[in-house]
Amino acid sequence: AQSVAQPEDQVNVAEGNPLTVKCTYSVSGNPYLFWYVQYPNRGLQFLLKYITGDNLVKGSYGFEAEFNKSQTSFHLKKPSALVSDSALYFCAVRDGGNNRLAFGKGNQVVVIP
Amino acid sequence: GAGVSQSPRYKVAKRGQDVALRCDPISGHVSLFWYQQALGQGPEFLTYFQNEAQLDKSGLPSDRFFAERPEGSVSTLKIQRTQQEDSAVYLCASSAMGTPGGEKLFFGSGTQLSVL
Repeated sequence: AQSVAQPEDQVNVAEGNPLTVKCTYSVSGNPYLFWYVQYPNRGLQFLLKYITGDNLVKGSYGFEAEFNKSQTSFHLKKPSALVSDSALYFCAVRDGGNNRLAFGKGNQVVVIP
Repeated sequence: GAGVSQSPRYKVAKRGQDVALRCDPISGHVSLFWYQQALGQGPEFLTYFQNEAQLDKSGLPSDRFFAERPEGSVSTLKIQRTQQEDSAVYLCASSAMGTPGGEKLFFGSGTQLSVL
């Protein structure tokens, strides 16, 4: 069974500083990895995904993520955080052999002006 | 429609009541998922449809939970004899392809169920 760990409950960062949200995963087959963002009272929105190819994936709103197979990690990054990036971020993994997407518990990101 | 639509947005039920939650996926989307999100937690998989076929219902927590998608578009999640532990946000998501694989999911805003 696939699973995701997001070790930090909350990430605080000053506006303009780099933002990193950590994620590690466990799958039995090839991983399909995703990041979603959730704003208050809204559904989850897709940010980016890794399927195959280049380990550095670029997504929406200036976010990027790096796939590291040896460390089974897929950390989300943004070079310069904005106050509007404050939200709940979820990492998710799908084992290539099945259809369900397994989510982590989420990280609350707070960007301080 | 432009996105995934769920109704009602909020539902309050007395313990023991039956509830029905509706999901309108993006038109033409083949795959449809239901997730349960408890407070402070990530979404947990409940069930998956490919068109009208329910291909995976392994996440349904008990036989009180039932989902259907009879015509391959709108889906309904039904919970019978609700209990307090059923209180959560129920999310519906759809994707274009029949084999989700690397496909992204489009989520609705969810139905927040409170069982008193």
